[in-house]
Amino acid sequence: EAGVTQSPTHLIKTRGQQATLRCSPISGHTSVYWYQQALGLGLQFLLWYDEGEERNRGNFPPRFSGRQFPNYSSELNVNALELEDSALYLCASSFYVGQNNQPQHFGDGTRLSIL
Amino acid sequence: AQSVTQLGSHVSVSEGALVLLRCNYSSSVPPYLFWYVQYPNQGLQLLLKYTTGATLVKGINGFEAEFKKSETSFHLTKPSAHMSDAAEYFCAVSNANTGTQFYFGTGTSLTVIP
Repeated sequence: EAGVTQSPTHLIKTRGQQATLRCSPISGHTSVYWYQQALGLGLQFLLWYDEGEERNRGNFPPRFSGRQFPNYSSELNVNALELEDSALYLCASSFYVGQNNQPQHFGDGTRLSIL
Repeated sequence: AQSVTQLGSHVSVSEGALVLLRCNYSSSVPPYLFWYVQYPNQGLQLLLKYTTGATLVKGINGFEAEFKKSETSFHLTKPSAHMSDAAEYFCAVSNANTGTQFYFGTGTSLTVIP
C-alpha cells in the first residue's frame, strides 16, 4: 500500500512569490491535513479537508489556502511568501470523520525555503 | 477543549538506559492518544496508539505507553535506549468530538549518549 506522497520534496522561492504544494493521501482515506513545522516551533495545524470541504483551519492568515480534489488529493497554496514561511510542510491523511479513533498517516513533507 | 503537554523539550539518556517521555492531555470526553516519532527530514511515523481497552499499549521498536486516566497521562517508555532512538517524539490527542483532527504536543527531542 502506497503511503502519503508529497511533492515537490524541496521548493525554493523568493519573497512575494506564490508556492503550491501537493499531497496524495493513502488510498481509502478521505481526510487530508496540512501542518507547518518551522524550526523550533513544533507542528502547527494549518488546514483540514474532508470530502472536498474545508473542515477546520488553524491560526494562519488567508494567504494560506488549499483545496481537495474529487480523488481526495490536495493542494496547499501560499501566496505573497514571506521569509517566516520557510518550514517543512507536512501532509497527513486518515479515514473519514466517523472513524476518528484512527491515526493520521504522514508524508515526508515539502521543505519550503524562502530567499 | 483538547490539548497536550509534553514536559521536557529535550531529554538525554545514555545508551542502554530507560527512556521516559512525558505526555499529559486534556480532553472533554474519553481520549484517543497517539505517539509519533520523527527522524530528521522525514514525516511522522506512528509508534503506538490507545483508543479503548488495555491501558498498557505496546508499539514498534520496543516502545510502550500506559494510559492513566486518573493522572491524565500517556507517558512513553522504552527499557533500554538505542542510538537509533534519537529523534523527535510527538504526543497527540483526539476524541469522538474532534472528528479526525488531532491536537499535538510541542515535541520532545531525544538524544542518546553513547
